[in-house]
Amino acid sequence: DTGVSQNPRHKITKRGQNVTFRCDPISEHNRLYWYRQTLGQGPEFLTYFQNEAQLEKSRLLSDRFSAERPKGSFSTLEIQRTEQGDSAMYLCASSSDGHYGYTFGSGTRLTVV
Amino acid sequence: EDKVVQSPLSLVVHEGDTVTLNCSYEVTNFRSLLWYKQEKKAPTFLFMLTSSGIEKKSGRLSSILDKKELFSILNITATQTGDSAVYLCAVERGGGFKTIFGAGTRLFVKA
Repeated sequence: DTGVSQNPRHKITKRGQNVTFRCDPISEHNRLYWYRQTLGQGPEFLTYFQNEAQLEKSRLLSDRFSAERPKGSFSTLEIQRTEQGDSAMYLCASSSDGHYGYTFGSGTRLTVV
Repeated sequence: EDKVVQSPLSLVVHEGDTVTLNCSYEVTNFRSLLWYKQEKKAPTFLFMLTSSGIEKKSGRLSSILDKKELFSILNITATQTGDSAVYLCAVERGGGFKTIFGAGTRLFVKA
């Protein structure tokens, strides 16, 4: 197992386009988290899955954002009608019951032009 | 509202110096406090603290938690240029849900 994998590593898109990111967590981890990080700030929570169930969503996650984890393994984060303010690093992390702390992926850097 | 506040926001030191990074928090249903180091990419885990007064050490890094006063410190002794990074403090809430991060302390160690 090579840790948490995120694809793509970088994405440049025009304003108004839709984008989708993928996260493959550590295989035995049942919890998966999406965070967003902008320059000079710590990661901000977006959403959390336990297995396939999405248990919490941040107020930051507008109607344009949707996340899925269909079989409790990989997850996707889709942003529709992207805006320049969506430009950020999108980080995925995973963990398992009874363990503290996350393992983060390397992130997907989104630039909306 | 839950919050984690780190200070200072940035710090410049010379190699060999000792630094102390601060983290205070107000979080409901506290489960643990974590420190991460972030260089160019994803944060990497340093320490997890759950009990007051017990120091965690790893080489030149150490950390301690005060749950009564709601703060933690991260010490780095004999700093090296490779310690240059953003150090993130985060508090994990019980129930396995979100972890709240501070904005980080950006440390730059000059040779």
